[in-house]
Amino acid sequence: SAVISQKPSRDICQRGTSLTIQCQVDSQVTMMFWYRQQPGQSLTLIATANQGSEATYESGFVIDKFPISRPNLTFSTLTVSNMSPEDSSIYLCSVEDSGTGGLEQYFGPGTRLTVT
Amino acid sequence: GENVEQHPSTLSVQEGDSAVIKCTYSDSASNYFPWYKQELGKGPQLIIDIRSNVGEKKDQRIAVTLNKTAKHFSLHITETQPENSAVYFCAARQAGTALIFGKGTTLSVSS
Repeated sequence: SAVISQKPSRDICQRGTSLTIQCQVDSQVTMMFWYRQQPGQSLTLIATANQGSEATYESGFVIDKFPISRPNLTFSTLTVSNMSPEDSSIYLCSVEDSGTGGLEQYFGPGTRLTVT
Repeated sequence: GENVEQHPSTLSVQEGDSAVIKCTYSDSASNYFPWYKQELGKGPQLIIDIRSNVGEKKDQRIAVTLNKTAKHFSLHITETQPENSAVYFCAARQAGTALIFGKGTTLSVSS
């Protein structure tokens, strides 16, 4: 199974600024996903990022606010732009990779963002 | 699109008891149903999954059952231990799409 790392692990940011979160995978994967988990809540899909194509965003999320890059099969970035306190969340990178019974989805440790 | 409902939201059991968490899904095209455990400060960890071509799967004290007709699946943990205390999420998807998650169940196992 894929091993995923994220940087930074946590950050405290001022409103109006932007933060770029990096996701690195130890193997080549086709499908990568970005999720948001607000405090005490479930995981909400922000976008799907496949290498060589534009990211596909879910309803309620737009590219201007959450631009995503996917330059190769092991790396992706998510930027949270013009931040407000409502953006305080855990941001999780996830990938689809081969598991014991087929394709499975794995998660990174998350980036804990606090906006003041 | 897919919608996943999960119950209960909280579950408290005594050590050694069994715990059952239930989920329903809306999209009959969904064919993959994983369960994740999330401990405080960590990302979700895949603990077991089931695909639409089987009705039950076991891994030691953890089992998952799937009823495709009723569109529901359940997680069963037997002989619970304090280290089973965590938040558990069910999810569903069809091939080539991202997982859609339930709202989670906070399981507390007291010794």
